[in-house]
Amino acid sequence: KAGVTQTPRYLIKTRGQQVTLSCSPISGHRSVSWYQQTPGQGLQFLFEYFSETQRNKGNFPGRFSGRQFSNSRSEMNVSTLELGDSALYLCASSSLSAGNTEAFFGQGTRLTVV
Amino acid sequence: GEDVEQSLFLSVREGDSSVINCTYTDSSSTYLYWYKQEPGAGLQLLTYIFSNMDMKQDQRLTVLLNKKDKHLSLRIADTQTGDSAIYFCAESLTGGSYIPTFGRGTSLIVHP
Repeated sequence: KAGVTQTPRYLIKTRGQQVTLSCSPISGHRSVSWYQQTPGQGLQFLFEYFSETQRNKGNFPGRFSGRQFSNSRSEMNVSTLELGDSALYLCASSSLSAGNTEAFFGQGTRLTVV
Repeated sequence: GEDVEQSLFLSVREGDSSVINCTYTDSSSTYLYWYKQEPGAGLQLLTYIFSNMDMKQDQRLTVLLNKKDKHLSLRIADTQTGDSAIYFCAESLTGGSYIPTFGRGTSLIVHP
């Protein structure tokens, strides 16, 4: 079956703009999590969605938001971009069925803010 | 301090064994994971261990868990150049929500 698909793979934006990233989970997976990966901070948890509801949220400012659709696809949005938002944004999907805690990651979206 | 700590770099010779270490702070962690990230790729789950186990072996990979010391290690036998990557240790709790806490990753460099 198809893996987790993130689009676009690469993105260049200027400060002050906003950006929307997309994540299509593995078919049947209802949990989608987002992470920001930077050399300095490592992998930081942004938020998790399950059945269209945000279930968990990391310590990021309100400029970072997300949503999940009825087909489990998820988007994250970053408004008023700052240079420090340049990072690899990773999405992971999980079925969370009994005994299965594996998360499958997409290849990520590389965002560069100039 | 960080919840999950790893050394940043490890360099080994091809054919040798690699041991990547990790310490975590949350004693209620139930699942402990090792992920691999190759350049330009996302994270790939290598293996995981439940907290009620102390060892798990899967082909060239051996995971050791010392729950008392909150120490997790990943041993790669007969390390190959294709094993060069960043290895992440992660922990998570039960409760139906998969929110692992990751270490910063250990860059494994395998040289001939």
